[in-house]
Amino acid sequence: QKEVEQDPGPLSVPEGAIVSLNCTYSNSAFQYFMWYRQYSRKGPELLMYTYSSGNKEDGRFTAQVDKSSKYISLFIRDSQPSDSATYLCAMKGRDNFNKFYFGSGTKLNVKP
Amino acid sequence: DGGITQSPKYLFRKEGQNVTLSCEQNLNHDAMYWYRQDPGQGLRLIYYSQIVNDFQKGDIAEGYSVSREKKESFPLTVTSAQKNPTAFYLCASSSTSSYNEQFFGPGTRLTVL
Repeated sequence: QKEVEQDPGPLSVPEGAIVSLNCTYSNSAFQYFMWYRQYSRKGPELLMYTYSSGNKEDGRFTAQVDKSSKYISLFIRDSQPSDSATYLCAMKGRDNFNKFYFGSGTKLNVKP
Repeated sequence: DGGITQSPKYLFRKEGQNVTLSCEQNLNHDAMYWYRQDPGQGLRLIYYSQIVNDFQKGDIAEGYSVSREKKESFPLTVTSAQKNPTAFYLCASSSTSSYNEQFFGPGTRLTVL
């Protein structure tokens, strides 16, 4: 079983839709959770970073962490064609600073 | 502009050759990392370095080597011992004040002919 599971998609939605992207994990020691956006043939770009449980909002993006269920989500409101990319979740524990665990990425396509 | 640069963007290698991928950062970050990305898989850690002149193996270090002679630079050599080197290689860095946020370079696509 992988440490982090992420549905690869592709996920196709119409412009303006609310998008929900999710990851599940198995290691209860994870405390830091990140979402990256990666355009084709580019490096990942850090979108959101949260610590422990709860919600964090930044513009059209909301990151949600439910540690009791070992489940994290990224919501995109009013999705735009420019949001079309692969979204990677990542997480790590408190002690081992250098070990990040990445999901395999979900490919999102927002149709105009 | 602060950031991470990787060169070249595309690299072609014949079997049996060693090649070196460049990674430079001007973010004044202490920690640097190399990842490999294959289609349908998450990022896999090859090597990481916390400080100059020190580096550690990641999950898939076999067939790769690194050096960290300067804080700004962390080159990766893909040796002929790496059985399946065709992949997208990503360099990242993070600061000591926030190890939890990694910033990535634009990547190098390596193809073995």
